[in-house]
Amino acid sequence: QVQLVESGGDLVKPGDSLRLSCAASGFLIGDYYMTWIRQVPGKGLEWLAYISISGSDIYYADSVKGRFTISRDIAKNSLFLRMNSLRADDTAVYYCARSKGGNTEFDKWGQGTLVTVSS
Amino acid sequence: SYDLTQPPSVSVSPGQTASITCSGDELGDKFASWYQQKPGQSPLLVIYHDTKRPSGIPERFSGSNSGNTATLTISGTQAMDESDYYCQAWDGTTVVFGGGTKLTVL
Repeated sequence: QVQLVESGGDLVKPGDSLRLSCAASGFLIGDYYMTWIRQVPGKGLEWLAYISISGSDIYYADSVKGRFTISRDIAKNSLFLRMNSLRADDTAVYYCARSKGGNTEFDKWGQGTLVTVSS
Repeated sequence: SYDLTQPPSVSVSPGQTASITCSGDELGDKFASWYQQKPGQSPLLVIYHDTKRPSGIPERFSGSNSGNTATLTISGTQAMDESDYYCQAWDGTTVVFGGGTKLTVL
């Protein structure tokens, strides 16, 4: 059964760092593009970053470039998102999702993990 | 940056046809995907490559994409189709989502 399970969401203070994880099962993350997408409660979807099948292509949205880092551990079949210098407007549900490649659809999403940034 | 524009809301009566549009510059030259999201759930892919339905998605869901507009059409809309719907496309190396449309079935 194909499954993505995010974890690591928490209540943190502005300026803090946090690392999110996305554990995959039923498929190998090395066979897919893996992506992080977030959603502010009650708002729309925002793409954040993705890592290609080879791992050599990594792209970020301008809103998080320089603060967030996407990575993966093939052996653990897991995707990560390191978030630094967190701000109140980073408060959102964070989803990981897979796609077969660039310019393709996201056919499987995790359930999301909530990050709240508040003093 | 590339933008995709959706109407904030669309209303439809049960059994009728609902159409949700997604507009973007030369969107027809890209592949459009559509996602359904119900409250408290993660998005679910309902249309990809403009017109294709994933396994398990009812035939009443269909899509088209031409010119500057992609359209998600739900024929014979049912109460269970009441959800938020998001279009999505790739612009080069970035991923773009539309702002979402709340479909109300009343």
